[in-house]
Amino acid sequence: GESVGLHLPTLSVQEGDNSIINCAYSNSASDYFIWYKQESGKGPQFIIDIRSNMDKRQGQRVTVLLNKTVKHLSLQIAATQPGDSAVYFCAEQTGANNLFFGTGTRLTVIP
Amino acid sequence: DTAVSQTPKYLVTQMGNDKSIKCEQNLGHDTMYWYKQDSKKFLKIMFSYNNKELIINETVPNRFSPKSPDKAHLNLHINSLELGDSAVYFCASSPAPGGYTFGSGTRLTVV
Repeated sequence: GESVGLHLPTLSVQEGDNSIINCAYSNSASDYFIWYKQESGKGPQFIIDIRSNMDKRQGQRVTVLLNKTVKHLSLQIAATQPGDSAVYFCAEQTGANNLFFGTGTRLTVIP
Repeated sequence: DTAVSQTPKYLVTQMGNDKSIKCEQNLGHDTMYWYKQDSKKFLKIMFSYNNKELIINETVPNRFSPKSPDKAHLNLHINSLELGDSAVYFCASSPAPGGYTFGSGTRLTVV
């Protein structure tokens, strides 16, 4: 089965700094990747996605990078704000199959 | 309007009881899901369901059963509740295929 893991379970950054959250996946057949943000007491919320035919995708203050050679995914958050404090999950999907989630990284923004 | 709504938000019950969690989506999505999130925040797929097919994660005990009265609803029934069933349960929906939209979760506590 798929295995999606994160290198760091926790990350603390100063407000205004950039954050990088990493994720390793094991299924080379996965063709769709999503980053989710989960705030306390809420469900996961979609942040940004990327398909396997792309290396980089940018959103508002967020960038996702995909390195298929080493099966690595990262989420970059620019100018991190206190409201970015949450648990971040990467998830992978193969075709029309179910979405499989990684372990999660807790991001804490220090004011 | 809430896109994916779950009720109740909190559920405390005794071992051995039977309980249900309701889920409704107003997004017109074809597929609905149930995920279980444990105390370590790990999200694990339990079921996926569209009007054609129910896919069950083989690790889910048969005490858990999804019931879909129509395309917009997927309820989760749990029989003979056990202490280990305590977790947060998330309903989600997606177009087929596509990113998932999650509900806000139901925190189940079995005592």
